[in-house]
Amino acid sequence: DQQVKQNSPSLSVQEGRISILNCDYTNSMFDYFLWYKKYPAEGPTFLISISSIKDKNEDGRFTVFLNKSAKHLSLHIVPSQPGDSAVYFCAAITSGTYKYIFGTGTRLKVLA
Amino acid sequence: GAVVSQHPSWVICKSGTSVKIECRSLDFQATTMFWYRQFPKQSLMLMATSNEGSKATYEQGVEKDKFLINHASLTLSTLTVTSAHPEDSSFYICSAPVGETQYFGPGTRLLVL
Repeated sequence: DQQVKQNSPSLSVQEGRISILNCDYTNSMFDYFLWYKKYPAEGPTFLISISSIKDKNEDGRFTVFLNKSAKHLSLHIVPSQPGDSAVYFCAAITSGTYKYIFGTGTRLKVLA
Repeated sequence: GAVVSQHPSWVICKSGTSVKIECRSLDFQATTMFWYRQFPKQSLMLMATSNEGSKATYEQGVEKDKFLINHASLTLSTLTVTSAHPEDSSFYICSAPVGETQYFGPGTRLLVL
């Protein structure tokens, strides 16, 4: 049972435009969500997170939106840069458990 | 941010041998560390939770006798793949939490011939 889903395995965006990566979850016990960026043969790098008490968190070019009623979160990257090309994973946890559940990842390609 | 290292980054071994992978938190202490495995084009799958001073907790379907975990200190956890077989070839990643955020090591690519 895939509790965290990223339905788009890949996404291509022109440099300078907005990249929107989506993530859906099924477990209502999740109350903290994170986005990670991963290059091949490297460990994931933390990007941004959001608590379930918020619906938006912004950090520079990265903004995460959370829609609890829809059990949906998204990562917006504006403006997209070629260096953003990587696989992006969303992850969800229930506070205090540390047990991350990862989505399957979306490969973002930013075209110059 | 917090730094987690892994060693080795890349290992090739013969079938039947054992391989030890180290995970270290470099600038913080971690009573808990996590071991993940990633197959090509798939998500990271949690294998086990490493607990300092106590036994590791394994996820369903993960053989504890095959994947031995030892959390020797507050900065070191080791994963030993015993009697490795080609199907164990994968990318192994550890992580350690700081608050709610996990910081990941760079990963270890294991290839079993």
